[in-house]
Parts: sequence; C-alpha cells; structure tokens
Amino acid sequence: DADVTQTPRNRITKTGKRIMLECSQTKGHDRMYWYRQDPGLGLRLIYYSFDVKDINKGEISDGYSVSRQAQAKFSLSLESAIPNQTALYFCATSDSGQGMGRTYNEQFFGPGTRLTVL
Amino acid sequence: DQQVKQNSPSLSVQEGRISILNCDYTNSMFDYFLWYKKYPAEGPTFLISISSIKDKNEDGRFTVFLNKSAKHLSLHIVPSQPGDSAVYFCAANVYTGNQFYFGTGTSLTVIP
Repeated sequence: DADVTQTPRNRITKTGKRIMLECSQTKGHDRMYWYRQDPGLGLRLIYYSFDVKDINKGEISDGYSVSRQAQAKFSLSLESAIPNQTALYFCATSDSGQGMGRTYNEQFFGPGTRLTVL
Repeated sequence: DQQVKQNSPSLSVQEGRISILNCDYTNSMFDYFLWYKKYPAEGPTFLISISSIKDKNEDGRFTVFLNKSAKHLSLHIVPSQPGDSAVYFCAANVYTGNQFYFGTGTSLTVIP
C-alpha cells in the first residue's frame, strides 16, 4: 500500500463549485504539505502543517483552505473553484528530522490529483 | 519571484553518457538542497540532497555539486540509463525554516 494517498486522483468541476482534495499518510510523519504544479512553474507551496494544531500559509494560499483532521489526514479545499486553479495537486509529508540516521527535510509525495475547473 | 531556477526545460542524452542537470538559486539563506525525480502520473520521489557545509555528495550513479559562491548546484548522472528518463526538480530551503522552494523542472530523456 502507498504511504501517501490522495483522493480523488482526477476531478473535473465547474467554476464556483466547492471542492475538497484529501490526503492520508501511513508514514507517521508529523509534517504535511499541499503543493500545486503548473507547466513552467514547478511546484508551489499552498499550505503546510507541522502538527494537528499548526496550519501555515505557503506561497499561494489565496483561494484555498486546509484542515488537519488528524496527524495522518490533511485536506485541501477550494471554496469557489475558478479555472486558473486547474493544476496538478500534490500532498507531501516529512518528519521533523529528529534522531540519528534520518534524511533531514526529505519529503514524500502522494501520486497527485489532477483537477480541472471548467 | 522564482527563488530556485532550472533554466533548461529539457535535456536529451545518449545511454551511457553523463547527464548534467543545473539549478540556480537567489536566496543566500538557503542551506539545504534536494533533487527529486518525477515519472508521469506519479508524485516526485527524493533522489539526493546536500547541505551547504558540503560541496559534493555522491550516491551511486548520482552526484550533486554545490557552488555556494555562484549559488549554483548541479546533478550528475553517470552512466545515464533509459530508466532515468523523468522530470527532475531541484528544491531548496533554510534548514531551520519551514518552506521548500522548487525549481520548474528539467525533463531528461535518455536515448537507448
């Protein structure tokens, strides 16, 4: 089973609709992230959370909100979808880097959700 | 403003030869750098990293070089294999900070 899962994998919606993308992880990591990937722009950080009670905005948080329901679950919502939110969305996790032998700051990504807003 | 840049969107290399992927950054506070590899329909996977206290890190066929004065890092793949064909992203952050900054990616094609 995949360590980081995202649902749905593909979604087509209309302008103005509310959309939720979900992410679950079994890695036991405390940190979770949401990114979007656009052609020519790479991966850009939307929101991140270092624990259940910690939510932080990234580079491009406008138009998005998140919820950290549990350590293993981090969902991204588009309150009112617009066409320029059409993109590939990735969830990622990392641990806090404590302890010996860890690869600090390595992030583990889910398979992505392709969202199309018409 | 893009703090991490990969100026080559694509690169083609013959199997067995060296692939060199380049990355430049603008923020002098960055002290940790990573390379990720991404296949179609999959999420990026971690490949190799380097901290700013080093100028080279090697892992099998993959070597990352860091030139802090030039704010430049490169990934060398030797020898290149067809399975290396993927999009490669470089990323950077401040070790004590919270955000990762990714480049735009370079699509590598290794020709058999």
